[in-house]
Amino acid sequence: DTAVSQTPKYLVTQMGNDKSIKCEQNLGHDTMYWYKQDSKKFLKIMFSYNNKELIINETVPNRFSPKSPDKAHLNLHINSLELGDSAVYFCASSLGPRSYEQYFGPGTRLTVT
Amino acid sequence: ILNVEQSPQSLHVQEGDSTNFTCSFPSSNFYALHWYRWETAKSPEALFVMTLNGDEKKKGRISATLNTKEGYSYLYIKGSQPEDSATYLCASNAGGTSYGKLTFGQGTILTVHP
Repeated sequence: DTAVSQTPKYLVTQMGNDKSIKCEQNLGHDTMYWYKQDSKKFLKIMFSYNNKELIINETVPNRFSPKSPDKAHLNLHINSLELGDSAVYFCASSLGPRSYEQYFGPGTRLTVT
Repeated sequence: ILNVEQSPQSLHVQEGDSTNFTCSFPSSNFYALHWYRWETAKSPEALFVMTLNGDEKKKGRISATLNTKEGYSYLYIKGSQPEDSATYLCASNAGGTSYGKLTFGQGTILTVHP
């Protein structure tokens, strides 16, 4: 009964490939997020969706495209993977866009070779 | 201050010691300040969310204070235990169109030695 789950946990792939990371939350939350942990270990927000609508879109290469088929799922698709995309990606959810508390998934470690 | 900054970056203490860390954040258009506890290979776990100047929160041996006017928060751990070893993350978010956009500090890595 994991609250926020991500698959896969580890992903190793070659440059130029296209890959997806899936996120699901069973908390009944309306808002979901994608964060990237950069090389300096900072967690930085990439996207946020509220009830399947994009509400936060940071300066991220357009090779990254989030997709929310329903409010319990927010997937991250990455085209033409580059070495610099190697990082840990975290999904999170909150009750709503103004809610204080965000609940995080366990992260997906992406390694691009 | 434009970013969220935490100090120290790492800390080693002995079991039973009390310790504290600092988080500095932008005080303009402030909405909320968050503390998370992050153990290796696990999800960051929310400890506290504070919104009002002078807020103090407590959970067991861990407590936190907030000063929104000067833009800082302290996290205190009383009588540290080895199971307190983790990275403690601070994050702030502003109001307006940035409600959900948490800006994280780099974290303070705490190691408690038995």
